[in-house]
Amino acid sequence: GENVEQHPSTLSVQEGDSAVIKCTYSDSASNYFPWYKQELGKRPQLIIDIRSNVGEKKDQRIAVTLNKTAKHFSLHITETQPEDSAVYFCAASKGSWGKLQFGAGTQVVVTP
Amino acid sequence: GAVVSQHPSWVICKSGTSVKIECRSLDFQATTMFWYRQFPKQSLMLMATSNEGSKATYEQGVEKDKFLINHASLTLSTLTVTSAHPEDSSFYICSARDTSGGHLFTDTQYFGPGTRLTVL
Repeated sequence: GENVEQHPSTLSVQEGDSAVIKCTYSDSASNYFPWYKQELGKRPQLIIDIRSNVGEKKDQRIAVTLNKTAKHFSLHITETQPEDSAVYFCAASKGSWGKLQFGAGTQVVVTP
Repeated sequence: GAVVSQHPSWVICKSGTSVKIECRSLDFQATTMFWYRQFPKQSLMLMATSNEGSKATYEQGVEKDKFLINHASLTLSTLTVTSAHPEDSSFYICSARDTSGGHLFTDTQYFGPGTRLTVL
């Protein structure tokens, strides 16, 4: 089955700096890669996703890149703000009906 | 759009009792819903895939007789934790896919707010 590895497990950044989280996956058939943000005790919220027909997608301060050859994808947050502090999860699935396999998560702390 | 609700948001029960958790898609139809369990400071672990009108598919290591899943309509799936024990205490989260054609992509999962279960 699919295996998703996520690094780093914790990330501390100064407000205004950029944050990068990286994930690798094992199943080359995977074609859907969402990123979720989860605050303590809350639901995971989809912040951005990418499908295998594109290599990069951007939404304001958030961007995701995908390298299918290397089987890795990354989340980039620019101009970080304290409200970006949360746990971020990457995930991968294949097809419209595939199960999501989650990475272990990254605790991001943005200090003012 | 794409709102998923869960009820209750938290529940405390005695060991040996059963607890039912509801997951509803409020503004779309979902033939497939998913149930996850999340322990503190850990990732989401898929327990089972709930299919409307048919039996759920359980992940390896998840006891289907202990975690009963019913998906009787296109907007409701229920998870019943039977004979709960303290080790079942966890955060249970459901998700759903919009299969009604209301969204461009059917692979996106929308998550409910979760249910915090504490078994004494």
